[in-house]
Amino acid sequence: NAGVMQNPRHLVRRRGQEARLRCSPMKGHSHVYWYRQLPEEGLKFMVYLQKENIIDESGMPKERFSAEFPKEGPSILRIQQVVRGDSAAYFCASSPSVQGVSNEKLFFGSGTQLSVL
Amino acid sequence: GQQLNQSPQSMFIQEGEDVSMNCTSSSIFNTWLWYKQDPGEGPVLLIALYKAGELTSNGRLTAQFGITRKDSFLNISASIPSDVGIYFCAGQRGGGSNYKLTFGKGTLLTVNP
Repeated sequence: NAGVMQNPRHLVRRRGQEARLRCSPMKGHSHVYWYRQLPEEGLKFMVYLQKENIIDESGMPKERFSAEFPKEGPSILRIQQVVRGDSAAYFCASSPSVQGVSNEKLFFGSGTQLSVL
Repeated sequence: GQQLNQSPQSMFIQEGEDVSMNCTSSSIFNTWLWYKQDPGEGPVLLIALYKAGELTSNGRLTAQFGITRKDSFLNISASIPSDVGIYFCAGQRGGGSNYKLTFGKGTLLTVNP
């Protein structure tokens, strides 16, 4: 499967624990985007990364959330000291180049459903 | 933040019926996109619209980019059971920030065989 791969598919954490969500972009894609979907809501943009660079994190909460896309390996969305309000589906998308330049579409993964007890 | 108003919130139809849903915005988007999301999956792009007034089809799906650039609709003709899912509209503002899609809240479609 050459699509965007996310794992785990489901993640259960207790309040105060850390959650680490992983995303491997499609082959040949160097741009990764994270979106969050709260229950019965549309997806909301969180952060845009290229290899080793955060390009736009304007949608990410200022505290407890961080994201990286290292030179080697998947992109990681990290949530520290999770709270119940962090329970949501987190989707990763990738594209081969910047959307604004090439007008290519974003390809979404199947998401990670985070449940905070 | 930017809001897209999508309606209806849910629809329950009989197989074979046509269905229509729409999105409106208080501000302009350069591109309108329609996605379908199946349970436990990510959204999959159905149709992309790039020009005001554009009418585009993809099989039984037809979508239009409103002339004011503030609205779009999606029609599904002759619905079948596999059309069940949540349909989202999304807008792109352009100017180098096309990755920041603004999504509506979705229309849940149920098709009764």
